[in-house]
Amino acid sequence: DADVTQTPRNRITKTGKRIMLECSQTKGHDRMYWYRQDPGLGLRLIYYSFDVKDINKGEISDGYSVSRQAQAKFSLSLESAIPNQTALYFCATSEVGGQFSGELFFGEGSRLTVL
Amino acid sequence: AQRVTQPEKLLSVFKGAPVELKCNYSYSGSPELFWYVQYSRQRLQLLLRHISRESIKGFTADLNKGETSFHLKKPFAQEEDSAMYYCAPLFGNTPLVFGKGTRLSVIA
Repeated sequence: DADVTQTPRNRITKTGKRIMLECSQTKGHDRMYWYRQDPGLGLRLIYYSFDVKDINKGEISDGYSVSRQAQAKFSLSLESAIPNQTALYFCATSEVGGQFSGELFFGEGSRLTVL
Repeated sequence: AQRVTQPEKLLSVFKGAPVELKCNYSYSGSPELFWYVQYSRQRLQLLLRHISRESIKGFTADLNKGETSFHLKKPFAQEEDSAMYYCAPLFGNTPLVFGKGTRLSVIA
């Protein structure tokens, strides 16, 4: 089945370490997103990419960077992790335009703990 | 400013009781509106979208442009409805904005 896969699923790291979360998809979608989920704060958008050559900051991009290596791959990096980046991170994809543009397909999430 | 508000963090109802999860938005235009659901140990997934005027798992949601609301309703709650629900407006050609979510707990 076409899917959205995130690695790693769980990661514990220390303050100051560099961390990369990876997302790959077999849905053939052009649009990819990284969201962060925190209790009581819902999902907040970190970065998004509408195609391979397009990268855009979201609501909370500070402290994060992304790379769109191919249509199917979108990686999120924390250059120097800090404890308040402890959260559940979701990658999502969507098709372009029309009524489908609001339907996101999510990965299972990557739980990151920064000590 | 474009905003979405879900005023209740937690909503507890008894099985068989009606459910209404509230969502309000602020936007000068006409957004497309969606409800997403996250069941325990499952991925976040689309529940329904207003443009389809559909009923999914007994849930419906009506867009009220005058009140700028898109409340999610179900006449008789079931235990399997217990989950986290997110209202998500689509404002133009920008990514979805998610509300802070409401956790629905259906008590047997």
